[in-house]
Order: sequence, then structure tokens, then C-alpha cells
Amino acid sequence: SQQGEEDPQALSIQEGENATMNCSYKTSINNLQWYRQNSGRGLVHLILIRSNEREKHSGRLRVTLDTSKKSSSLLITASRAADTASYFCASARVSGYSTLTFGKGTMLLVSP
Amino acid sequence: DAMVIQNPRYQVTQFGKPVTLSCSQTLNHNVMYWYQQKSSQAPKLLFHYYDKDFNNEADTPDNFQSRRPNTSFCFLDIRSPGLGDAAMYLCATSPEGGNSPLHFGNGTRLTVT
Repeated sequence: SQQGEEDPQALSIQEGENATMNCSYKTSINNLQWYRQNSGRGLVHLILIRSNEREKHSGRLRVTLDTSKKSSSLLITASRAADTASYFCASARVSGYSTLTFGKGTMLLVSP
Repeated sequence: DAMVIQNPRYQVTQFGKPVTLSCSQTLNHNVMYWYQQKSSQAPKLLFHYYDKDFNNEADTPDNFQSRRPNTSFCFLDIRSPGLGDAAMYLCATSPEGGNSPLHFGNGTRLTVT
């Protein structure tokens, strides 16, 4: 199984603080993606980083990828209460094209 | 807006009574997926279609089946739901499989009584 592991499982911070979530995976990947899920809703794609990239930014999001350690991190800067959600990483294998394997997720709570 | 729509949002069925969940997309994506997500867990892939080619995950129970009559629609059939099948079922689409972002519907929450 290539299922990733994320830590922490839960994170509670104040508005304005930064939030960092980590993800590890087991086998070689084509890319790694991060998704957000609000309670009771579907997942929303945030950012995709390919295996030959080391860092990627999108607005207040910064993702890093270290293929030698098989790990990735998601940083949310200047967090807002609206960022409260679960965050999942998902890895796409090198071989084959079709499927993503999701990690267990980090539940982020941002308090006003 | 182009999107992935799942119906119904909430489904209640009785133990052993067949149930069908539906998913439609206006994105014209080749790949459609069904994921099962239980409370506070990762989404677990059940199966996916690349166009009409069906791909079943090795550990997907035989109780779960799927149909994709055309590009836009995909159905998840649970032949004899058990209490352990209560979960959120998520449909997703992608133009290039795992090489591109997945677009998810809002899910169907299945309750088995």
C-alpha cells in the first residue's frame, strides 16, 4: 500500500498563525497533491507538485516535496477561520496513471 | 458551471436492500472514480473507469458494483448493504487520471438501518 501518513492528525491554532502539515508516502511517485475537505463535503484540490519539483506556491499555500525522504509539507500562512477543514495529501504512482492514494489527513481548527 | 453532481446528498437504506448512488459530470473527463470515506478516515478508492474501461481495486467487496453508461454518468450499486457500508461515497473525475487534479462531487452520505 502506498497510503500516506500525515501528521499531525489534528492541529489547533489562532487566526493569523501559520499551519504546517506533513505527509509521508512509501513508493516512487509521479506527483503529490493536496486537498481540503470541509465537514460533510467533497474534497477540493489545492495544489499539485510533480516529482521533479521541490517547492510550489499558490496564494497563502506553500508546498514542498522531498523525494529522497518521501515526504511533503503544506504550509498555510496567515491562517483564517475559514481555513478550518481537513487536509489530505494524495500520491500518484510512477507506474500507471489513474489513481491517487490518500493519506489519513490532518484536521485543522483555526480559532478567531 | 462545469461540475460533478452526486445524488442524493443523503440516502437511507435498510440492511440488505439494494441501493444505487449516482454521479454526473459536465466536465467531459475521461476518468471517473468512486471513493468510500468513513468517519475521520482517508478516502478509499473502490473502482474507476478510464472511458469505458472498468478497474476494480483488489480489496473492493463484491457487494459493490458500478456502471458507466456514458461519459457523463456513473453509478455505484450496493447489492446488499451491511451496517459496515455506512459511509460517505465520493465521486470524482479527472481528465488524465492521477496526473492531474481530481474534481469531486459533494458526496452521498449513506446510512444503513
